[in-house]
Amino acid sequence: AQSVTQLDSQVPVFEEAPVELRCNYSSSVSVYLFWYVQYPNQGLQLLLKYLSGSTLVESINGFEAEFNKSQTSFHLRKPSVHISDTAEYFCAVSLPGGKLIFGQGTELSVKP
Amino acid sequence: EAGVAQSPRYKIIEKRQSVAFWCNPISGHATLYWYQQILGQGPKLLIQFQNNGVVDDSQLPKDRFSAERLKGVDSTLKIQPAKLEDSAVYLCASSKNPVRETQYFGPGTRLLVL
Repeated sequence: AQSVTQLDSQVPVFEEAPVELRCNYSSSVSVYLFWYVQYPNQGLQLLLKYLSGSTLVESINGFEAEFNKSQTSFHLRKPSVHISDTAEYFCAVSLPGGKLIFGQGTELSVKP
Repeated sequence: EAGVAQSPRYKIIEKRQSVAFWCNPISGHATLYWYQQILGQGPKLLIQFQNNGVVDDSQLPKDRFSAERLKGVDSTLKIQPAKLEDSAVYLCASSKNPVRETQYFGPGTRLLVL
């Protein structure tokens, strides 16, 4: 069975510091990988995704994630965070039929 | 382009009552999903439609939950009768196709069962 584990439920960090949100997955079939972000009182928004090709994918707002097949990981990183990055971040895998399996979420709290 | 619309945004009911949620996907999106997000957890798929046919409802509690997507456009999710453990946010998402396509989520309906 497929599963996604986000290793940290909460990550507090100061503004302009680097951050890494960790995600590991388990799957017996090839999957696609996603990071979604949920700002307070808003719906889920796609941050970035890995389908194939380069294992390093980037978002428009400075986040990046690297697909590591041997370690079954898809960690999310940003070299310098802003207050506006405060949100909950969800890692997900997509099964062949389209169904998304989500992790439990990581609450990123950026402090001034 | 309009996003995924959901209503109502909030609903409070007592246990054993019934409730219905409505979703209108992005125009042209053939695939529609309903997810349940319990506080402190990631969303869990309840049902997936391709046009007006059900693709996956393996995690839908069919004794109390039902969903339909008549005409392959908007969809309704119903709970009857509701239990305390149904308190959650119900998210609707849509995509052009089920494979390799981004799922776009609506704002969700927050349900509280007392």
